[in-house]
Order: sequence, then structure tokens, then C-alpha cells
Amino acid sequence: KAGVTQTPRYLIKTRGQQVTLSCSPISGHRSVSWYQQTPGQGLQFLFEYFSETQRNKGNFPGRFSGRQFSNSRSEMNVSTLELGDSALYLCASSLADGTLPYTFGSGTRLTVV
Amino acid sequence: GIQVEQSPPDLILQEGANSTLRCNFSDSVNNLQWFHQNPWGQLINLFYIPSGTKQNGRLSATTVATERYSLLYISSSQTTDSGVYFCAADDYKLSFGAGTTVTVRA
Repeated sequence: KAGVTQTPRYLIKTRGQQVTLSCSPISGHRSVSWYQQTPGQGLQFLFEYFSETQRNKGNFPGRFSGRQFSNSRSEMNVSTLELGDSALYLCASSLADGTLPYTFGSGTRLTVV
Repeated sequence: GIQVEQSPPDLILQEGANSTLRCNFSDSVNNLQWFHQNPWGQLINLFYIPSGTKQNGRLSATTVATERYSLLYISSSQTTDSGVYFCAADDYKLSFGAGTTVTVRA
């Protein structure tokens, strides 16, 4: 059974640009959630999508957005990148019924220069 | 939101030693997970343990939901156990603690 796949693994962008990250969940998982990890703030919840609808949202500015497709794959987009957006972005998938744990992908390491 | 506190922040062990990591959470949660973050950044699920005790090899975990804490035990530690251990409380999203950095010396 394939795990959670995140692409790309590494990304370097310039301030002001935008970026799109992709996450393919485990087959059958309908919930995809995104987390940001930085040395200063640790692991923080960005948002969760379930059946193409955003179900929960963390405390991040509107520059951070996401979407989920009918095949449960999800993308997150960050517009007008700032240096502080440099982080490891992790996505997790789950059945969202509480019976199985969240499974994380390997992450996308974004560097903004 | 739920606050999650982990202790100790850092732990240095000699190979073969046993250790206990603690996770306190501020409110009732649906579930509690323990993760080990590998050097490449991936969070590897160790335990999914809303309550009770589970064991997996040299690792075991206990969650006492009524008292809002969970413990992760590492027995006979090995250098490969080094890394950062996170607990995360599930309240329709995961709230993570700051982690415990474990260093096992040969």
C-alpha cells in the first residue's frame, strides 16, 4: 500500500513569488491535512480538507490556501512568499473517522530567498 | 485550542539505558499519537493510543486519558533511537508538543 506522497521534496523560491505543493493521500483516505514546521514555532496546523471541502483551518494568513480534488489529492498554495514562510510543509492523510492514525508524507522543504 | 507539553526537552542516553518521555495535554482529546521524526523530516507514527498501554518491540506507551497525560518508554536504547519524538493530541486536528530530542551515545 503506497504511503502519503508529497511533491516536490525541495523548493527554492524568491520573496513575492507563489508556490504550490502537492499531496497524494493513502488510497481510501479522504481527509488530508497540512502542517508547517519551523524551528521557532514548531509544528502548526494549517488546514484540513475532507471530501473536497475545507473542514478546519488554523491561524495562518489568507496567503495560505488549499484545495482538494475528487480523487482526494490536495494542493496547498502560498502567495506573495515571505522569508518567514521558509519551512518544512507536511501533509497527513487519515480516514477521518477516528479509527486509524494520521499518516504523514516526507514533506516539502521550502526555502524563500 | 489544546495545549500539549512534552518533557524533558532534551535527553542524552548511553546505549542500553531506559528512558521515559512524558506528554501532558490540557483538555480531553479524541486520540493521542506518538511520532518519531527521522533525519529527513518525515513523521513516523509510533503509537496511536487514546488510552491504555501498547507495546511495539522496545517501545511502549501508556495514556491515562482521565489525567490527561501519556508516557513513551524506550527500553535498551540504541543509537538508531536518536531523533525527535513528538506527541500530538487529536481534537479534529493534531496539536503537537515541542518535542523531546533524544541522543543515544554508543
